[in-house]
Formats: sequence, structure tokens, C-alpha cells
Amino acid sequence: KNQVEQSPQSLIILEGKNCTLQCNYTVSPFSNLRWYKQDTGRGPVSLTIMTFSENTKSNGRYTATLDADTKQSSLHITASQLSDSASYICVVLTGGGNKLTFGTGTQLKVEL
Amino acid sequence: DGGITQSPKYLFRKEGQNVTLSCEQNLNHDAMYWYRQDPGQGLRLIYYSQIVNDFQKGDIAEGYSVSREKKESFPLTVTSAQKNPTAFYLCASSRRDAQETQYFGPGTRLLVL
Repeated sequence: KNQVEQSPQSLIILEGKNCTLQCNYTVSPFSNLRWYKQDTGRGPVSLTIMTFSENTKSNGRYTATLDADTKQSSLHITASQLSDSASYICVVLTGGGNKLTFGTGTQLKVEL
Repeated sequence: DGGITQSPKYLFRKEGQNVTLSCEQNLNHDAMYWYRQDPGQGLRLIYYSQIVNDFQKGDIAEGYSVSREKKESFPLTVTSAQKNPTAFYLCASSRRDAQETQYFGPGTRLLVL
């Protein structure tokens, strides 16, 4: 069964600090992996999309890494801001089709 | 101003009533999708469409129906057969198919009276 597991479930950090969110997947065959940011009560917004051959991809203060061998990805947020408070969702696309498997998200809260 | 719009933002359904959620995009995308989001769960696919006048069932299509008469529009009807409709509904689109980035609308929260 295709699964995407994210950890931690929730996280609280102080403004200005860095943090790393984890995503483990058992999707096979793998096509690509995406990270989305979802503010409360809003639709998700794409941060990065990575294929099998990409190890790292950045979008401003967000850097995603992918290890296709261990089926793990991480999202690193640098110098966090209050506006980073949101749910971060890892999504994996199965190769050969249009099947997306969504993780349940990590709820991040950035405090003063 | 390009993007995806959903309406209404909040919708209340009475017992036995069918309700329709609107989704419109002006991104000239071929593919459109409907997802349901429940607390503590990942998004689940209800229906998707890759071309006008064609659509496919997702993982949880029972109790829902869609139409795709225009490229820009993909309305979702929640029928009375859907016994647990309370959820946050998200519409998305992508240029050709799910291989590419999906762009999401702002969502509609459906509540049962």
C-alpha cells in the first residue's frame, strides 16, 4: 500500500530559528515528490517538486532534499518567520499514473 | 489576475439536500481535480478530469458527482447519498496531468445543519 508518513506531527519554534520536517514514503514506483504549504483555512501552495534525479531543491528559505534510495525527504526552513506558521504537506506521485499520495502534514507554529 | 476560484467559502447543507460547489480556473489548464480534506487525514481524491466532457472517479467518489462542460469549470455536487459530507473541499488544476504541479483553490467548507 502506498503511504506517506510525516514527522513530527506538530512543531513549535522561535522566530529566527531553523527547523527540519521529515517525510518517509513507501510509494512505488516513484515519479516525483512535492512539498506544499497550507495556511489554516486556505488551499495548499506548492513549494518544491523533485524528481528521482534531484537531491536538493530550494525556494527562498525553504530547501527540500530527497534520498530516493532510503525513500526519505526533508524540508528545511531557515531563519523562520511568523508567516511560516502553517501545515506542510508532503505528496508523492506514483510513476506510470496520476496517483498522488498525500501525507497528513506537519503543523508548524513559529512564536516570538 | 490568474488563478483558481472556489465558491462559496462556506456552505450549509440540510438533510437530504444536494449542494453544488463551484470551481473556476483561468490558467488554461487541461486537468482539474476535487479533493476532500478531513482533520488528521491527508487529502483524498474525489474526482478528476483531464479533458472537457471526460472525468474519472477518484478514491472516494461515492455520494459525489461532477461535470466538465467547459475547460474553465469543474463543479462538484455533493448528493444526499453522501452521509458524512462535513469537510473542507479543495479544487485544483494542473497544466496537463498530475505529473505537473497542482495549483489549489482557496477551498469550500461544507457543514451539515
